[in-house]
Amino acid sequence: AQTVTQSQPEMSVQEAETVTLSCTYDTSESDYYLFWYKQPPSRQMILVIRQEAYKQQNATENRFSVNFQKAAKSFSLKISDSQLGDAAMYFCASPPGGNEKLTFGTGTRLTIIP
Amino acid sequence: DVKVTQSSRYLVKRTGEKVFLECVQDMDHENMFWYRQDPGLGLRLIYFSYDVKMKEKGDIPEGYSVSREKKERFSLILESASTNQTSMYLCASSLTSDSRLEQYFGPGTRLTVT
Repeated sequence: AQTVTQSQPEMSVQEAETVTLSCTYDTSESDYYLFWYKQPPSRQMILVIRQEAYKQQNATENRFSVNFQKAAKSFSLKISDSQLGDAAMYFCASPPGGNEKLTFGTGTRLTIIP
Repeated sequence: DVKVTQSSRYLVKRTGEKVFLECVQDMDHENMFWYRQDPGLGLRLIYFSYDVKMKEKGDIPEGYSVSREKKERFSLILESASTNQTSMYLCASSLTSDSRLEQYFGPGTRLTVT
């Protein structure tokens, strides 16, 4: 069963604007990490940002930040001051519970409009 | 930095051929994973291994097998390739002692079966 849902298959944003990618998840874990990965057109998947569920403070990495709502099991990614290099597929991931695995969403393709 | 390498970026095989996809990581990670990535379906786990000679089926193991004879190397085997196995294949690794379960990815292999 799909436990990570990304409801926006595609998004676009004007360069320098802000965009938010949404993600909802399900897990049986009580303490866990959530991840956003980026896959540029060259295909190498890289980590963008991680959030520990135990922490109430939302994670921030430069222009990337998350809005984490634990009770709602929501984990959205906000990209500020969008740049052309942000164009990529973005995947949200969470642990389903009980083992070493992560479950990934279906991805959101982000296009940056110059 | 963790480095995960995959033997080929692009591969073209014929229906019925036996296909080997190789993955090597250089950071002494215990866990290794094989995913297949298809548009609209995201990343789906085929198999993962948590130790040498140990393996566990993922969500879509049918038609695939794996081998892990050495800690750093994890091979995905298509015993008799079929056209529906045309896809992007991603390898990843992670450290058991890393409670975050963060995974590090290889560049991917685009396999076409004709």
